[in-house]
Amino acid sequence: EPEVTQTPSHQVTQMGQEVILRCVPISNHLYFYWYRQILGQKVEFLVSFYNNEISEKSEIFDDQFSVERPDGSNFTLKIRSTKLEDSAMYFCASSWTGSYGYTFGSGTRLTVV
Amino acid sequence: GENVEQHPSTLSVQEGDSAVIKCTYSDSASNYFPWYKQELGKRPQLIIDIRSNVGEKKDQRIAVTLNKTAKHFSLHITETQPEDSAVYFCAASPNTNAGKSTFGDGTTLTVKP
Repeated sequence: EPEVTQTPSHQVTQMGQEVILRCVPISNHLYFYWYRQILGQKVEFLVSFYNNEISEKSEIFDDQFSVERPDGSNFTLKIRSTKLEDSAMYFCASSWTGSYGYTFGSGTRLTVV
Repeated sequence: GENVEQHPSTLSVQEGDSAVIKCTYSDSASNYFPWYKQELGKRPQLIIDIRSNVGEKKDQRIAVTLNKTAKHFSLHITETQPEDSAVYFCAASPNTNAGKSTFGDGTTLTVKP
């Protein structure tokens, strides 16, 4: 079964540093998403991406966040200047249709120290 | 914005019993309702979903019901097994962007052998 893959599985970074989280969506999918899950809490929507642009973003997704699909296969989430409260599991997801059924990747655990 | 409430937060049942988890939502524009199972340290996995033009959907031991008038939907698991133990999340999304999900806080289900 096709999978969404994410790298790295765990990233530790110093506060104030930039991080890039990488995702390879399922190959024929057209809609891409990032979510975060703070330890022990619910999943929160960050951003959706379609046709090479952001379609929607949440209040969490402020100017410190950006997304990119640089080469037609990777989908990245950049956090410019990390804060302690950015520590969380970040999940990428993709979908063939934007109206139902998206698949989560295995996640990247980001720890900001 | 959308607000999803999920109850109960924890649920413990004996193997073979049924489990029911309930969610309510606030935004009448929501019309896609997925349910996810998340085991400790793993990605959320879609177990069943329902769209607003359907009142009930069943897949083996799992069923979901939707009452759009009352804005609530429920997950029913019959003949529970210890491997059903996990955290279950409901979510609500607009049809225009299924990935823009608002998640409930989760229900920790424990099935005792």
